[in-house]
Amino acid sequence: DAGITQSPRYKITETGRQVTLMCHQTWSHSYMFWYRQDLGHGLRLIYYSAAADITDKGEVPDGYVVSRSKTENFPLTLESATRSQTSVYFCASSERGTANTEAFFGQGTRLTVV
Amino acid sequence: KNEVEQSPQNLTAQEGEFITINCSYSVGISALHWLQQHPGGGIVSLFMLSSGKKKHGRLIATINIQEKHSSLHITASHPRDSAVYICAVHSGGGADGLTFGKGTHLIIQP
Repeated sequence: DAGITQSPRYKITETGRQVTLMCHQTWSHSYMFWYRQDLGHGLRLIYYSAAADITDKGEVPDGYVVSRSKTENFPLTLESATRSQTSVYFCASSERGTANTEAFFGQGTRLTVV
Repeated sequence: KNEVEQSPQNLTAQEGEFITINCSYSVGISALHWLQQHPGGGIVSLFMLSSGKKKHGRLIATINIQEKHSSLHITASHPRDSAVYICAVHSGGGADGLTFGKGTHLIIQP
């Protein structure tokens, strides 16, 4: 299916475990983003990527790792999950960056760390 | 860091009313986005604008760069417009990514 998809949609994990959230887009957009959404904070940027093999930190990168070996995929890894990382995570893509083109969002992944 | 403020935080209106949601930001921007988040959680882009006004169906978005202010208007509101409306800005410079307001929760009653 065309679009941007995230998996899994829901995940429960234990403190200290490594978790990877997947994001896949079919448009060949150059830019991809990871955001987290928390009550009281709204959406905040974790990491973004302007192209394959290029990634940059956002506002809240600590505890997260990203990679982008292929244009269409942008996985987000929590190396050692903590309760403060319980959140809803959204992946997004944009053809030429959000200064120039609109953003398309995945359905979100609800992550609970217990 | 750009501070993005939306008002009102919550809005309940009757079907057919004209709705206005406001967004202000503290630092000059390259672009402003209006997004809609459905009750199920999905986020959809409504508009991206850097100047002037855009219209799509019953939705109108305006921006005043000098005033650092944008408005989203909904004409002839309908219960299906009930959602959270989020303003987000791209602050320019070399970095990408959006800075978001906390959203306006809109309920349209039949």
